[in-house]
Order: sequence, then structure tokens, then C-alpha cells
Amino acid sequence: EVQLLESGGGLVQPGGSLRLSCAASGFTFSSFGMSWVRQAPGKGLEWVSAISGSGGETYYADSVKGRFTISRDHSKNTLYLQMNSLRAEDTAVYYCAKVGGSLIYYFDHWGQGTLVTVSS
Amino acid sequence: EIVMTQSPATLSVSPGGRATLSCRASQSVSTKLAWYQQKPGQAPRLLIYGASTRATGIPARFSGSGSGIEFTLTISSLQSEDFAVYFCQRYNNWPLAFGGGTKVEI
Repeated sequence: EVQLLESGGGLVQPGGSLRLSCAASGFTFSSFGMSWVRQAPGKGLEWVSAISGSGGETYYADSVKGRFTISRDHSKNTLYLQMNSLRAEDTAVYYCAKVGGSLIYYFDHWGQGTLVTVSS
Repeated sequence: EIVMTQSPATLSVSPGGRATLSCRASQSVSTKLAWYQQKPGQAPRLLIYGASTRATGIPARFSGSGSGIEFTLTISSLQSEDFAVYFCQRYNNWPLAFGGGTKVEI
């Protein structure tokens, strides 16, 4: 059974940093791309970033480019999102999601999410 | 960037009724389109990918159709557990994008 467990969310001041983690199990981690998707309170889904199975290709939404960095550790089966220069508008539940197929970036499994609150 | 627009924002349907949700792309996305269901306090769940292929374990009352710029998610004979918010997502190129969602309510 595929399981994705996010951690690392919390309250951070504007301009601060946070690193999210997503521990994956139940599938061959290195064979699938992974992604982060966020949802601001009461709003819709916003794609944030994605990384290929090998980790060699990374992709970002314009809203986070240059501030967020996605990475993965195959030895730990863990996905990360390093978030720097955080803004109030980054406040959201952050979901990690597993890509459905090779180079096909829809999401067939999702974690339960971790809440990031950016506020002074 | 290709923008995804969903309509209506809210759809009122009676239990046992039929719901038709629309998703329109500002440019063609071929059939690189997925649909998700999200209930309050829960993560999204994949329903449909490739515009019309049901994901594992999804009941046959959910069906997807369309290609290019116009897509439809149809829920026949709505069950109580189907009242939720539905999102479409294109994955034809970067950046990926979701539609704004349609809330299906009683």
C-alpha cells in the first residue's frame, strides 16, 4: 500500500525558512516522479513543484521559483521541499503527491498534508 | 501558460441525480487531463486520468470525456458520498495547473 507522510509544517515569520519532508513507502520510490501541491485556506489546489524519479529534472511554479527547492533522497525514500523567503501568501496545506506514471504528471496518491502558516 | 477554467462553481444536485461538470483549457491539452475529488479535511483523490480512464477503485458512475480544450466529468446517480469539490488538472506541459474547482452540493 502506497503511503505518503508529510512533516515539517508549522508557524514561521515572513522572510523565514522551513523544510518539508514526505516519507514514502509501498512503492519503488526512485521509479516515480513526485510533486508538492498546496492549498491555501478555503481555496483551490495550486501546483508548486515536481521532481523526476531520478531527481535530475526539477520544475517549479513561477510563484515559488527562486525561493523553493525540491529534492529527494533515495536512500531514505523521502521527498523534501526547502522553502526560503516565505511570504504570507505561502500559507497553505502542503501535500506531497506521487506521479501516476513515467513522465506522466498526474497524481495517483496523496499524503494528508502539512500546514504551513507564515505570520508575524 | 494554459489556464484551466471549471464551471459551474457550485452545482446543486439531488441524491440519485446526475451531475455534469465542465473543465475548459485556454489551449489544447490533448487528453492530458485528470479529475480529482476532495472532501472537507481530506486530501484529493484521483478519479480520472487521460481524460477518460477511471483510476483504480473508482466506481463506474464516474466518467470523463473530452479532448483538446473541452472536458466533462459526469457523475450518474449521485450518492451521498459524492458530495464534494472536484478539480481538473492538466499535465500536458509545465507549469502544471489545476482548475478552480466545482463544489457539488445537495
